[in-house]
Amino acid sequence: DTEVTQTPKHLVMGMTNKKSLKCEQHMGHRAMYWYKQKAKKPPELMFVYSYEKLSINESVPSRFSPECPNSSLLNLHLHALQPEDSALYLCASSQDLTAGAPHFGPGTRLLVL
Amino acid sequence: AQSVAQPEDQVNVAEGNPLTVKCTYSVSGNPYLFWYVQYPNRGLQFLLKYITGDNLVKGSYGFEAEFNKSQTSFHLKKPSALVSDSALYFCAVRGPYSSASKIIFGSGTRLSIRP
Repeated sequence: DTEVTQTPKHLVMGMTNKKSLKCEQHMGHRAMYWYKQKAKKPPELMFVYSYEKLSINESVPSRFSPECPNSSLLNLHLHALQPEDSALYLCASSQDLTAGAPHFGPGTRLLVL
Repeated sequence: AQSVAQPEDQVNVAEGNPLTVKCTYSVSGNPYLFWYVQYPNRGLQFLLKYITGDNLVKGSYGFEAEFNKSQTSFHLKKPSALVSDSALYFCAVRGPYSSASKIIFGSGTRLSIRP
């Protein structure tokens, strides 16, 4: 299996809702990432996990809460989001934090009403 | 701090002609460089990477990139463009190990191939 999967593909939520984005990979990668991408813009790094431990938090608001339950799974819990949080959320994984090129999932397109 | 620049927002090429998408980088130490392609409403697809070794790197779909240390560039090339190559292309850089976690993306270049 050489792909990163993400669910759901699309998500619409209100500002008071709680939802979660899920990401899974079975390539044995030990680094996993969350990126946020606005239309026609480059991906912006949000979080990095290495060996299931949070390695980087790019000053992301606390309404976004990452979780890495095991080496294959990465979640992003969402609560009290704002309309400006609407974006494509991309998960990626790589062998480790050094030279490996991240493999990206197809993304979850999030719309906050 | 590391950075990467893609000086062209858009590149237009006729089908069958060679194409070049430009990328320059700034990083202390030896860089790890990547090219990705993104089709509408899709995630990023990995094309190729430079870690070390030969300056000319061959990747997927007939693409290649040339690493030039003196010019700090990593331009993406293809000898003969296809209409299906039309997409958004991102160059990315990963710095030395101390900041290796961070992969920084350029602003992107929209490649348009006309029949």
